[in-house]
Formats: sequence, structure tokens, C-alpha cells
Amino acid sequence: GQQLNQSPQSMFIQEGEDVSMNCTSSSIFNTWLWYKQDPGEGPVLLIALYKAGELTSNGRLTAQFGITRKDSFLNISASIPSDVGIYFCAGQLEYGQNFVFGPGTRLSVLP
Amino acid sequence: GAVVSQHPSWVICKSGTSVKIECRSLDFQATTMFWYRQFPKQSLMLMATSNEGSKATYEQGVEKDKFLINHASLTLSTLTVTSAHPEDSSFYICSAPRTVSTEAFFGQGTRLTVV
Repeated sequence: GQQLNQSPQSMFIQEGEDVSMNCTSSSIFNTWLWYKQDPGEGPVLLIALYKAGELTSNGRLTAQFGITRKDSFLNISASIPSDVGIYFCAGQLEYGQNFVFGPGTRLSVLP
Repeated sequence: GAVVSQHPSWVICKSGTSVKIECRSLDFQATTMFWYRQFPKQSLMLMATSNEGSKATYEQGVEKDKFLINHASLTLSTLTVTSAHPEDSSFYICSAPRTVSTEAFFGQGTRLTVV
């Protein structure tokens, strides 16, 4: 099946630092989503991207739909302790199909 | 607030029993819902696609007789784990898109522990 790769797998940063992570695929997607999952909870949608090149912000989070439609990036500015969690990207090949999830990036924020 | 509600949040059951998990869309109708399974420290893996008014579509390797899916209405899909065994212990999550071309919202998840 389709696979998404996320990088890095995990990261430890100091509070206040900026964070960048990405998601890549060998396939072209028409939709990219970014989710955050806290332990024991379901994923919560952060940002949805629908067009190549689209740059969308949600507070301190900014995500971009790669121009090739095979990748997406998520940036978090001025990280805070509650940013800790697993960040998943998800891509949709065609409308109406399920979303394929990446393996996740585990973020730890050190005080 | 939550737009997709999943119940129960957690359940412990004995081996051999069946467990039903409900997924409801709260303020929209969902003709399609997705059921995922997540093992510790792993990503979400699609189990099946629940279709209102027709049979569910199962992913390769998922036993349809073990994981029964019923999309009873446009706002409710249920997943029943039949004759549960300890290896079925996992985190089960449902999701539903508002429309075929928009993002999917997730339920809170159900942690199943089979003892």
C-alpha cells in the first residue's frame, strides 16, 4: 500500500525553540493533513492543506503543501511544554478515499 | 468541541467475549467512516471502511468475521470485536469526514484490553 515517511522520528528540543518536521511520499496526494496525538487520546486535527504550494497557519503552527504534491512540512514556533506529543501527517490520494498516515514524529520539549 | 464521539473510552473484557465500540458523528451525516487500530508507539493502521447502507470494506489481513462493522445510520457506525483474545488488545479509533473531499475528524479512541 501507499506509504508516508516522516522525519525526524523523534526530537528533543528546548522550550522556546522552533520545530520543523516533514512528511514525504513517492505518490502524489491531493490533500495533506497534520494531526497531533496525546497519550491515550485520538488524533486531533491541526491543519488541513488542499492545494499544492498552500501555506496555512494555525496559531504557532504553520504547514505547507509541497509544490510537487509529494511532501508537506509542519513548523512550530516558540515551542511550549504542551506541544509534547506525536505529530502525524496524513495524505489522501483521491477524494473519498481513506487517509494514509505517516509513522509519526514524537516531540519532547525540555523546560 | 468534538464532532465525532466514540464510546466507550476504554474497556476490559475476558477472552472469548465480544466487545462493541460505537462511533457517532455529532453534527453531520457521515456516509463513510473509517476504523483504525493503533499499537503502542506505532501509527494508525486502517482496518476497514464503513459504508452506510452497504457492506464494509476491509483491508487486507483484517478478518471481517472477527471485526464486525455495522453502519446502522448516517451518524453511527459500530465495530464489534468478536471472541476477543489478548492479541486484540489495542487502541481502536474511528474517523469520519464531513464530506468526501474534506478532512476527517477522529473519535477519542477506545482502549481495549483483553484478559
